[in-house]
Amino acid sequence: ETVMTQSPGTLSVSPGERATLSCRASQILSSKLAWYQQKPGQAPRLLIYAASTRATGIPARFSGSGSGTEFTLTISSLQSEDFAVYYCQQYNNWPYTFGQGTKLEIK
Amino acid sequence: EVQLLESGGGLEQPGGSLRLSCAASGFTFSSHAMNWVRQAPGKGLEWVSSISASGGSTYYADSVKGRFTISRDKSKNTLYMQMNSLRAEDTAVYYCAKGDSSWPLYADYWGQGTLVTVSS
Repeated sequence: ETVMTQSPGTLSVSPGERATLSCRASQILSSKLAWYQQKPGQAPRLLIYAASTRATGIPARFSGSGSGTEFTLTISSLQSEDFAVYYCQQYNNWPYTFGQGTKLEIK
Repeated sequence: EVQLLESGGGLEQPGGSLRLSCAASGFTFSSHAMNWVRQAPGKGLEWVSSISASGGSTYYADSVKGRFTISRDKSKNTLYMQMNSLRAEDTAVYYCAKGDSSWPLYADYWGQGTLVTVSS
């Protein structure tokens, strides 16, 4: 099983600043990685797939990068609606697995 | 507009069974893989099971293999999860999630989830 490790567990950032979230895989994934956002009481929402492709309707301030085993989600200028929990997910091999999540909170 | 509406959750005793359903609309159901993802209370996400667009390929997490069965009915545009031999650790919100292609990869649309509670 591919273990996904996200860091940090919690990230405190002020609105308007940049946030950088990391995700590391225990095996090489190529670019088969997705990022999701989840707000309290809501279902997850797809942000990024193929490591760097924004999903439909996702603002340009969200960007993904990386390949192999190291991946990054960057939010360039945080808006109030961006404070949430973020998960990475690998789909390179079954079982598909998620990271444990990074909580992005207001500083 | 893509819509996924789960139903069938509820309270069940350990060892019991439940069948979850997910009614899909707003896209060509028979062309997309479908998935179940769960989230235990206060915990992260766990990918539980996937089924290819044709229904010919299915995948299960080790935690549910042999107990859960995923299926789909293209005439009803509905995804199912038959859950047998339920355990306390199966307690979670179960999300139905649409795949972006005919093969399970990532999930581009999610339902609002249905809560399954396993307790005596």
